[in-house]
Amino acid sequence: DVKVTQSSRYLVKRTGEKVFLECVQDMDHENMFWYRQDPGLGLRLIYFSYDVKMKEKGDIPEGYSVSREKKERFSLILESASTNQTSMYLCASSLTVGRGNQPQHFGDGTRLSIL
Amino acid sequence: AQKITQTQPGMFVQEKEAVTLDCTYDTSDPSYGLFWYKQPSSGEMIFLIYQGSYDQQNATEGRYSLNFQKARKSANLVISASQLGDSAMYFCAMREVDTGFQKLVFGTGTRLLVSP
Repeated sequence: DVKVTQSSRYLVKRTGEKVFLECVQDMDHENMFWYRQDPGLGLRLIYFSYDVKMKEKGDIPEGYSVSREKKERFSLILESASTNQTSMYLCASSLTVGRGNQPQHFGDGTRLSIL
Repeated sequence: AQKITQTQPGMFVQEKEAVTLDCTYDTSDPSYGLFWYKQPSSGEMIFLIYQGSYDQQNATEGRYSLNFQKARKSANLVISASQLGDSAMYFCAMREVDTGFQKLVFGTGTRLLVSP
């Protein structure tokens, strides 16, 4: 089974702090994704990566950056945390195979609170 | 423009009954895929079922089936014989193949509550 592991289930940080959310997958997937989930808005894509050191902006990249130094690890960075970044953050990974019936596999999520 | 629309914020069903969760989509890409995910209160997203735009038959996975009506751009999830453990949020998502990179666009979700 695919395993996507997020480093924390719950995290509380202060405004202005630099925050790191870590995600590791164990299935050699090329693609990795970071989403945030807010009530009534569904999942919105922040950033994704299709290869080591490669990254692409999603729909809401402002205030975030990412790092992918190794294939299995994709980090989301909040450069200077703000209260409007309080949310549920979900990491996912997927294979690139053919023209795409491969599902994304998700971690358990990190509930981040910025005080 | 909203690409995935789930118009039912909440649905109620009694145990053992069937329930249909609605999903409509918007794309001009002839090649696309549609996914349904379940999110229990614990938070993890669980992949349920996939339908490709060129698939001739509706997808089925156990108690889950997808009512795919291509001309109407709808991909409704049907859960047969509901169980208490089916209570969760359900998300419809679409992948437009020509955009590359395996990105998914999600709807806002439907909360299903199964009562005894």
